[in-house]
Amino acid sequence: GAGVSQSPSNKVTEKGKDVELRCDPISGHTALYWYRQRLGQGLEFLIYFQGNSAPDKSGLPSDRFSAERTGESVSTLTIQRTQQEDSAVYLCASSRVPATYEQYFGPGTRLTVT
Amino acid sequence: KQEVTQIPAALSVPEGENLVLNCSFTDSAIYNLQWFRQDPGKGLTSLLLIQSSQREQTSGRLNASLDKSSGRSTLYIAASQPGDSATYLCAVIPDGSEKLVFGKGMKLTVNP
Repeated sequence: GAGVSQSPSNKVTEKGKDVELRCDPISGHTALYWYRQRLGQGLEFLIYFQGNSAPDKSGLPSDRFSAERTGESVSTLTIQRTQQEDSAVYLCASSRVPATYEQYFGPGTRLTVT
Repeated sequence: KQEVTQIPAALSVPEGENLVLNCSFTDSAIYNLQWFRQDPGKGLTSLLLIQSSQREQTSGRLNASLDKSSGRSTLYIAASQPGDSATYLCAVIPDGSEKLVFGKGMKLTVNP
């Protein structure tokens, strides 16, 4: 079946602009995660959604970052007033049951802030 | 706070060698451990997942072991091939959490 998809694959934006990144999880996966991978750094957790529960936002680095998910479908990660330090690959993952099954990752969105 | 370490950061070997990739974590209270592969410019591909109650998992030429009490996991790659060249990432889910904590990865180059 189809894997996790993300769009766009690449995004170049000017400092100060807002960007929106999209993630389509695997159908039937109730859990969805966003991670960030900056150059030379490990992957950092950003936010986690499980069904209709309140999301775990503990990894969001600032209030410029927000994410939404409707039910068990698409999620969008929004970064407002982008800064150069936001440049990174943003990866989305989904799993059928959190912390029990494997997390399956999408190809990522490479964000470059100029 | 859980920390995951992978040493060395890079490894270059000739084709055909059997390899051992190391991963260590500071807190043994984990739910599971997952090994991933990442090719340049690509997302992560899950290789093996080991639940905390398990000692090892095998898939083809890959074997991953887990020693939870000592905070270590190893990924064994048999008869390495140039196609194995990639960055290998180790990650754990701490008990009571749902999010993966990653090491920084190990870049493997297998030379023909």
